[in-house]
Amino acid sequence: AQKVTQAQTEISVVEKEDVTLDCVYETRDTTYYLFWYKQPPSGELVFLIRRNSFDEQNEISGRYSWNFQKSTSSFNFTITASQVVDSAVYFCALSELGYGGATNKLIFGTGTLLAVQP
Amino acid sequence: DGGITQSPKYLFRKEGQNVTLSCEQNLNHDAMYWYRQDPGQGLRLIYYSQIVNDFQKGDIAEGYSVSREKKESFPLTVTSAQKNPTAFYLCASSSLLVGAYEQYFGPGTRLTVT
Repeated sequence: AQKVTQAQTEISVVEKEDVTLDCVYETRDTTYYLFWYKQPPSGELVFLIRRNSFDEQNEISGRYSWNFQKSTSSFNFTITASQVVDSAVYFCALSELGYGGATNKLIFGTGTLLAVQP
Repeated sequence: DGGITQSPKYLFRKEGQNVTLSCEQNLNHDAMYWYRQDPGQGLRLIYYSQIVNDFQKGDIAEGYSVSREKKESFPLTVTSAQKNPTAFYLCASSSLLVGAYEQYFGPGTRLTVT
């Protein structure tokens, strides 16, 4: 069965600290996609990144970086020099491919609440 | 501006009443989804649709119904058969083009049933 585990329920850091959010997944598919979403207090989920299973290159976007390692089934997310505006719940998700290879479902982890203190 | 709209943001109903949550998108996406989120939990899929006039049950479809009469619209009805309807409901849409599978979400509707 496919599963996404975010073992860190809550993390609290002080502004400017670096923080890494962990994501471990399980799947039998050889082709799959992984995603990170941010849910600020307003509630709307904001798409951050998509990574396919054939691309293990790390990605950096400003203060955000992602480390995908198939050998450990992990897709971790690091925020460098955190800011108060980064405070949110962050979800990792795994695709379950269906019709035409397109994503029918996303399997979500339970989320990590990040609190950045000023 | 392209995006997904959900209305209303907050909804209150008495137990035993059906209630319909609206979801509209102008992203020209083929696929649409409904999720339920409970406090401290991830999102769970209720229903999804990849084409007009067709939809499939997700993991927790019991007590819910949907329709997809137009590509842009995917309303969700929470029926009186749903035993625990109070939750945050999120609608999403996605393209079905290869490599563009990320889902985009609306602002959500917070439903309270008393």
